[in-house]
Amino acid sequence: DAGVTQSPTHLIKTRGQQVTLRCSPKSGHDTVSWYQQALGQGPQFIFQYYEEEERQRGNFPDRFSGHQFPNYSSELNVNALLLGDSALYLCASSLVPGSYNEQFFGPGTRLTVL
Amino acid sequence: AQTVTQSQPEMSVQEAETVTLSCTYDTSENNYYLFWYKQPPSRQMILVIRQEAYKQQNATENRFSVNFQKAAKSFSLKISDSQLGDTAMYFCAFVPTGTASKLTFGTGTRLQVTL
Repeated sequence: DAGVTQSPTHLIKTRGQQVTLRCSPKSGHDTVSWYQQALGQGPQFIFQYYEEEERQRGNFPDRFSGHQFPNYSSELNVNALLLGDSALYLCASSLVPGSYNEQFFGPGTRLTVL
Repeated sequence: AQTVTQSQPEMSVQEAETVTLSCTYDTSENNYYLFWYKQPPSRQMILVIRQEAYKQQNATENRFSVNFQKAAKSFSLKISDSQLGDTAMYFCAFVPTGTASKLTFGTGTRLQVTL
């Protein structure tokens, strides 16, 4: 049973560029959450997708957007990259939101903005 | 808004010894879950232990146990018989019941287990 997978593993971009990160949830999961983990910090919640809609959003600007596909996989898009966007981006999947269901995390995508 | 504080950036423990990691949180919610997550150098975050706030009994998972003090808003993790594989970043996290899994994390404690 495959766990949460993310691609790519590493990515280097320059300021002003756009980036797309991808996530496939654990088999049987239908909810995907994205987190940003800056160096030396804990993960910060970006947003969550369920039934192809953004259900919750953290304190991130509109430059951060996402999408969920019918097969429950998800993309995170970041436009107009800033140096401060350099971080590890984690995807987590879980069952339908409501009473707490355990989130399973992927290995992350390390984004470096130069 | 909820906050989670981990006041120990780094800790070290010898193999087979016991270590306790501290976590405090602030919330106005009455029903919530608390977690300890482990993030090894390979980066994949895994759940170590979970505590539901309405349960008075402290959670235990093998060598891992918690000391949950709801009135003090304290949630510490005790690791017994430490092993080299316990070396990792440990994050305390919080989620109010019914908020669809929006986790709030602390800044983490780096634990080094030595021979």
